[in-house]
Amino acid sequence: AQSVAQPEDQVNVAEGNPLTVKCTYSVSGNPYLFWYVQYPNRGLQFLLKYITGDNLVKGSYGFEAEFNKSQTSFHLKKPSALVSDSALYFCAVRDAAAGNKLTFGGGTRVLVKP
Amino acid sequence: GAVVSQHPSRVICKSGTSVKIECRSLDFQATTMFWYRQFPKQSLMLMATSNEGSKATYEQGVEKDKFLINHASLTLSTLTVTSAHPEDSSFYICSAKTGQGEGSYTFGSGTRLTVV
Repeated sequence: AQSVAQPEDQVNVAEGNPLTVKCTYSVSGNPYLFWYVQYPNRGLQFLLKYITGDNLVKGSYGFEAEFNKSQTSFHLKKPSALVSDSALYFCAVRDAAAGNKLTFGGGTRVLVKP
Repeated sequence: GAVVSQHPSRVICKSGTSVKIECRSLDFQATTMFWYRQFPKQSLMLMATSNEGSKATYEQGVEKDKFLINHASLTLSTLTVTSAHPEDSSFYICSAKTGQGEGSYTFGSGTRLTVV
């Protein structure tokens, strides 16, 4: 079975400061990892994904994430947060050997204060 | 890029009636679509996987007779909430695997269902 954990329900950061949203995962095979962002009453917008290759993945809106196999983590980062980054962030995993289903973490609400 | 259109975005219905939610892939063929339910301030729970031309695969605990899924074409999947009750009020989101390489998924904008 595959699972994802986002240990923080909410992250508060001042505008201009670095932002980190944590994610750890568990799969039996090789992981495909994703980050999505959700604004109120909207669907999910894709930020970035790790399938294979470089452990550091760069995505939309200045976000990046680092795949760490030994720590089974895929933390999302942004060097300088904007107020408009305030939203709900979801990490998701798919086991490459277990079909197409995505499993989502519980979500982390990010609040960027001006 | 791949776009999934979900309608309606918001619906209010009376208890006991049925509601249909549509999910369309606009510029690609989606052989597989996924339906999720999201409670307030919670994560997405996969309800079922919809495959074109075959029966949907429901997750454990999801009533297939209550949440009817039809994927009759490569561009359209529908979720019908039958005999809706207030506890069915939720945010429903569809997703499609775009087929553009591994791990490419596109999400609809969601449907807010309120049963009164």
